[in-house]
Amino acid sequence: EPEVTQTPSHQVTQMGQEVILRCVPISNHLYFYWYRQILGQKVEFLVSFYNNEISEKSEIFDDQFSVERPDGSNFTLKIRSTKLEDSAMYFCASSDLQETQYFGPGTRLLVL
Amino acid sequence: QKEVEQNSGPLSVPEGAIASLNCTYSDRGSQSFFWYRQYSGKSPELIMFIYSNGDKEDGRFTAQLNKASQYVSLLIRDSQPSDSATYLCAVQGSGGGADGLTFGKGTHLIIQP
Repeated sequence: EPEVTQTPSHQVTQMGQEVILRCVPISNHLYFYWYRQILGQKVEFLVSFYNNEISEKSEIFDDQFSVERPDGSNFTLKIRSTKLEDSAMYFCASSDLQETQYFGPGTRLLVL
Repeated sequence: QKEVEQNSGPLSVPEGAIASLNCTYSDRGSQSFFWYRQYSGKSPELIMFIYSNGDKEDGRFTAQLNKASQYVSLLIRDSQPSDSATYLCAVQGSGGGADGLTFGKGTHLIIQP
């Protein structure tokens, strides 16, 4: 069964450093998303992406964040200058026209 | 501000009984409603989705939607210990696939053997 994959599974970085989180959505899906979940808190929407552009973004998705689909399979989230409060689990998701979103296993980001 | 409310629990249910999970949402324009299961340290796993008022059944799971009351529920019949997890209610707006999901904090369900 097709699934969303994410790399790396864990990332440790120093405050102020740039990180890139990578995702491979399900191959025939058209919509791509990033969410985050701070430990003990709810899953929060960051951004949705369709047809090579951002469709919607939340207040969390400020200028420090960017997304890109560099090729036909990868979807990336870049955080330019990480802060301590960026420490969270980051989930990628994808959906087809049926709008049902399937989540990847996540990347656990720790900012020191 | 879109809000999704769930009782955080824990909700403790004996094995074999029916577990009932509830969710309310604030945005009347919401069109699509989802239940995800999340085990500790893992990603959300889709259980069911519902778009229309009424009931939708899939195996041991039944989702119920009442848009007038802005209320969604999930029933789990014949509860098993493996059903012990946090259940997340998620709501999507009228923008369809372009819209992100708004999640509740989740209900922690414990099935007692």
